[in-house]
This record gives sequence, C-alpha cells and structure tokens, in this order.
Amino acid sequence: GAVVSQHPSRVICKSGTSVKIECRSLDFQATTMFWYRQFPKQSLMLMATSNEGSKATYEQGVEKDKFLINHASLTLSTLTVTSAHPEDSSFYICSASKTSGGARGQETQYFGPGTRLLVL
Amino acid sequence: DQQVKQNSPSLSVQEGRISILNCDYTNSMFDYFLWYKKYPAEGPTFLISISSIKDKNEDGRFTVFLNKSAKHLSLHIVPSQPGDSAVYFCAASTSGTYKYIFGTGTRLKVLA
Repeated sequence: GAVVSQHPSRVICKSGTSVKIECRSLDFQATTMFWYRQFPKQSLMLMATSNEGSKATYEQGVEKDKFLINHASLTLSTLTVTSAHPEDSSFYICSASKTSGGARGQETQYFGPGTRLLVL
Repeated sequence: DQQVKQNSPSLSVQEGRISILNCDYTNSMFDYFLWYKKYPAEGPTFLISISSIKDKNEDGRFTVFLNKSAKHLSLHIVPSQPGDSAVYFCAASTSGTYKYIFGTGTRLKVLA
C-alpha cells in the first residue's frame, strides 16, 4: 500500500499565531515529500520539496521563513505556517513519493487527505 | 505559462458509458504522466500512470493513452459509475526532478 496521513484535518486559528501540520507516510519510507496548496477551484500549487535530513527546496514566490518545513525522518514531514494571516487560509496537501519501479525509476506521489486552514 | 492543460472544466456522462478526459502538455521533456482523482476537501487519489516509453496503460476500468507527437494524453473510464464523479487532474513530470506539474482539473459527473 501507500497511505499518507495528515494531521490535523482542519484548524482554525487567530491571526498572528503559528500552525503546524504533520504529514506521515504510514506504510512506506519516503525520501521525498512535497507540500502543496490549493485555492478554491484551482489546481494544486507546489510550495516546496522536502528531503529527509536536508533543507527544503521552495518554489518561486513561496516564503521559506513563513512556511517552515522539517523532514525529520523517512516517514514524517511537518509544515509550520508562522504568524498566520487570513490570506494564508487555504487547503494544504502533502504528498510522499514512492518509486514506481518503472523502467526509468519514476516516482509516484501519494497524497494525504489535506488540511483546511482558516485564519481569523 | 500553463505547461499542462485540461481544456474541459467539466464533463457529464451517463452511467455505463465511457468517460474520456483529455490533457495536453507543452514541455517535450515530460516523460512520466499520471492521473489523479479528487473529491472536495480531500487529497488526490492516484489512479494510473504512464511512462513515455509506452502509449497505453490499462488498469481495470481505467486506461490512459499517450500520444507523444501530439503531446496529448487521455483517460478512459469504462463503464462509468456514479462513484467516479469527482475532479480529475492530470500531472506530468520529468525524470530526475520528481516534481509534478498539474493540470487545472476536469469535473466529471456520472449521471445515474
């Protein structure tokens, strides 16, 4: 299997507080995890790529000091939204990659169920 | 610059018939393509993938076709079932990057 969990599923917080979201691969080890953000009726936007034991690689336009990513083990990555503001309200989804075993060793990403963040 | 496009935002199909979802891409470096299904407020669920060395991959009711010359892929679902109603995203990647570029999604509605 390839199950990815996320916690919490929903969080409501006050403006200025920090929120931590956990992403776990439950039945496989993932050297690479990804964090996405999805706005209503839009596609998934990659925020950052996280490799175990090293610093995350952020996409252009994503503030690394605002969205702190820690990939402490092969099964756990965390995203911390620091000093959250209403514009950070969104649906955050993580994924973990697993080698598909194809001819070129492609990796398939398996997604968590997502976290709905609402900042008041 | 939208490298992966799903030009049909929605599609309605009668139960039991075939659903065909389309996806076009512009980057010729893409060599791995995937389809995901997504329900509201949930993460995407992996459905099927295809490497650029193939032009067809089949898994149960789902078949993905890849036309490299046209930079086009499609997902066929047959027979369609009401439970297939969801938003379908195609994604593309280049070997070695592990980064996916997602299309904008097509909302499929299967009518009972």
